[in-house]
Amino acid sequence: AQTVTQSQPEMSVQEAETVTLSCTYDTSESDYYLFWYKQPPSRQMILVIRQEAYKQQNATENRFSVNFQKAAKSFSLKISDSQLGDAAMYFCAYRSPEGTSGTYKYIFGTGTRLKVLA
Amino acid sequence: DAGVTQSPTHLIKTRGQQVTLRCSPISGHKSVSWYQQVLGQGPQFIFQYYEKEERGRGNFPDRFSARQFPNYSSELNVNALLLGDSALYLCASSPVIYNEQFFGPGTRLTVL
Repeated sequence: AQTVTQSQPEMSVQEAETVTLSCTYDTSESDYYLFWYKQPPSRQMILVIRQEAYKQQNATENRFSVNFQKAAKSFSLKISDSQLGDAAMYFCAYRSPEGTSGTYKYIFGTGTRLKVLA
Repeated sequence: DAGVTQSPTHLIKTRGQQVTLRCSPISGHKSVSWYQQVLGQGPQFIFQYYEKEERGRGNFPDRFSARQFPNYSSELNVNALLLGDSALYLCASSPVIYNEQFFGPGTRLTVL
């Protein structure tokens, strides 16, 4: 069964500094998607960045970038120039390839709470 | 454009009761997924629907069921509520089944 593990329950970063959130996953599939979602307190979950497993190039979205190591099954998120608005729960998520009958499964990690210090 | 909407925002039920949660996807989105997020944990995938057909199911008991309507809105039903069903229930929509998902604000269910 696929699993997603986030081993850092909480992280802190000074404003304007860089922080890296870790995520490891386990799957026997070769074609899948990985995501990082941000959930601010009492606010909606939003997609931060996504990575297609068949792409070797690491995804980047402005201050957010990933380090995707497929062989190691590692998918870390780097936030550069951290801002106060980055404070939130961050979830790593895995989406399976299309299964029989066109089905999919999504698996989320337990999350990392990021605190940004002024 | 309006985002994903869910109703009600909060709900309090007692053990054994039944509950129906509703979700309206973003206009033009044909896929809806449901997640359960227990306090302090990540979302757990319950169902995904696309074009009114179930296209994904997580490891939840048969007390959980869902459907999608011709206008692509969706309902999640939970029967015989247990204390452990207390959670934030999230709905997410996407244009097609494999695209980025957009989440709604959730319905917080409390079972007493």
